[in-house]
Amino acid sequence: GAGVSQSPRYKVTKRGQDVALRCDPISGHVSLYWYRQALGQGPEFLTYFNYEAQQDKSGLPNDRFSAERPEGSISTLTIQRTEQRDSAMYRCASSSSGAGKLFFGSGTQLSVL
Amino acid sequence: ILNVEQSPQSLHVQEGDSTNFTCSFPSSNFYALHWYRWETAKSPEALFVMTLNGDEKKKGRISATLNTKEGYSYLYIKGSQPEDSATYLCALNTNAGKSTFGDGTTLTVKP
Repeated sequence: GAGVSQSPRYKVTKRGQDVALRCDPISGHVSLYWYRQALGQGPEFLTYFNYEAQQDKSGLPNDRFSAERPEGSISTLTIQRTEQRDSAMYRCASSSSGAGKLFFGSGTQLSVL
Repeated sequence: ILNVEQSPQSLHVQEGDSTNFTCSFPSSNFYALHWYRWETAKSPEALFVMTLNGDEKKKGRISATLNTKEGYSYLYIKGSQPEDSATYLCALNTNAGKSTFGDGTTLTVKP
């Protein structure tokens, strides 16, 4: 696609529910990143992939968070048993190479009630 | 934990003023430094990627310098315009992997 696409744009869920956030990177981009951004702060790293391999998941807050990129293109970030503190903007970005400039999607605004 | 610090947190200038702000980072294990421009309700957009000590990059009225030995980068805007109002984020790579972001400097340019 022309840019990084994320869906849904907004997600409202009840505490305890599972959510899946989708990212479709720029075609051909090797690296895919997930970030979380709280109001007034910069993006906070969660995890990243090169092709289908998860290279670094050190930013995932706990084991309720997981991500996959099974075919080296589309990625899904899953949050199980959501809690109110999970509410944030979740941003996906892709890059043509490691440490190259990131192209960000519009983000998914998650609200956990 | 990698600390990427940006200062000031916010800045208000008049149209036509020139301004600059700072990104500070640990000087060890440097790989690359990025600057992004982020407008409210939009996504961050890349301005510059800098890799070498002494690098200077320019794009229109915006330029950036890099000092990897002392661990800082400056972003300059010459003759600020209202459309320059945005949050400017810097991000550090210590390897060919994740970028660690600062919290940004929010610039407001008053007409």
